[in-house]
Amino acid sequence: QVQLVQSGGEVKKPGASVKVSCKASGYTFTSYGISWVRQAPGQGLEWMGWISAKNGQTNYAHQLQDRVTMTTDTSTSTAYMEVRTLRSDDTAVYYCARGSAAAATSFVDYWGQGTLVTVSS
Amino acid sequence: SSELTQDPAVSVALGQTVRITCQGDSLRNYYATWYQQKPGQAPVLVIYNKNRRPSGIPDRFSGSSSGNTTSLTITGARAEDEADYYCHSRDSSGNYPVFGGGTKLTVL
Repeated sequence: QVQLVQSGGEVKKPGASVKVSCKASGYTFTSYGISWVRQAPGQGLEWMGWISAKNGQTNYAHQLQDRVTMTTDTSTSTAYMEVRTLRSDDTAVYYCARGSAAAATSFVDYWGQGTLVTVSS
Repeated sequence: SSELTQDPAVSVALGQTVRITCQGDSLRNYYATWYQQKPGQAPVLVIYNKNRRPSGIPDRFSGSSSGNTTSLTITGARAEDEADYYCHSRDSSGNYPVFGGGTKLTVL
């Protein structure tokens, strides 16, 4: 069965960086892409970006493209998402989700369990 | 604010039918997807490509669209359908995904 297992929660100070991992299993990792979506406390879903596990192509949300980097390690079927220069409004649950290998705009069908990142001084 | 607009809250009596709507200009050209999210859980895909259901999603969930509006209909709502529902499609440029603001469904 398809599973996306994310790394554990993090507490960071403003200005620091955080890197969240998402380990995939139950499917051919390089046949799909991974989207990252975050959800601030009590708020809705916000698309952050996408990476193709097939060719490494990325597409980032405008408001985050200067601070976010998404990568994959095909040898371990793991996707990573790093946010730099953290601010308090980056406090959120971060989700990875499986989507198309070809397009950032496709729907996602399986989600990770989420990783809570708390930014606080 | 999102380019996809949803009513913040909707309620339905147990066993009745409810329609949750999502409006946006991009919906005239692109399919929408619907996700269900219960408190403390990750979202779950319930409708994709306008009206297709993944395996395991009950057939009381259906999708439709007309013009700039896409809808999720639950026919015979059950207590376990109480959740937040998010639509998902593209922004007005067609180049980026976007989520609606979400609708909190209460089953009375």
